[in-house]
Amino acid sequence: EVQLVESGGGLVQPGGSLRLSCAASGFTLSDYNMNWVRQAPGRGLEWVSSFSSRSSVIYYADSVKGRFTLSRDNAKNSLYLEMNSLRAEDTAVYYCARDTMDVWGKGTTVTVSS
Amino acid sequence: QAVLSQPSSLSASPGASASLTCTLRSGIDVGSYVIYWYQQRPGSPPQYLLRFKSDSDKQQGSGVPSRFSGSKDASANAGILLISGLQSEDEADYYCMIWHSHAWVFGGGTKLTVL
Repeated sequence: EVQLVESGGGLVQPGGSLRLSCAASGFTLSDYNMNWVRQAPGRGLEWVSSFSSRSSVIYYADSVKGRFTLSRDNAKNSLYLEMNSLRAEDTAVYYCARDTMDVWGKGTTVTVSS
Repeated sequence: QAVLSQPSSLSASPGASASLTCTLRSGIDVGSYVIYWYQQRPGSPPQYLLRFKSDSDKQQGSGVPSRFSGSKDASANAGILLISGLQSEDEADYYCMIWHSHAWVFGGGTKLTVL
């Protein structure tokens, strides 16, 4: 069964850091483009970052550029999102999604608050 | 002006059809884009429904009923998700998405109420 499982969310103070993980099963992560998408409480979906499997180019939304870093560990079939200089407006459920978002994880919640 | 605009809400009756629109910003030609559609029920992650570029270039998501279909209205510069034979389980938020300028862009979502 194709599955994505996110982890690593939690409560962090403004200015702090967190590292999210996304473990893939049922497919080889390196064969696909992979994405992070977030959803603030009561709000819509917001794309965060994407990894192109073909070109190895990583794209970021302007709202996170310079603060977030996407990476991949092919041996662990996992995707990561390193988040630094966190702000209150980064509070959201963070989803990992495959390729054109055909498969989604259940998400992990990040709360930035003092 | 947002890249993708969706009505915030829509209501329809069980058994009827609902047409959800996703309007592209002026200057962005809907004919050049693949429009992706997602359904999100409360408390659940989004689910992929379908993609539509043209009648010859479209794809239904795995297990998605055929009563969900995509199209375009070139005159309105919009993508359309048509849901026929509405059921109570179709009550959800619906999002459209395109790949534009090296970024995935989502519409703001339409809350569909079936009553």
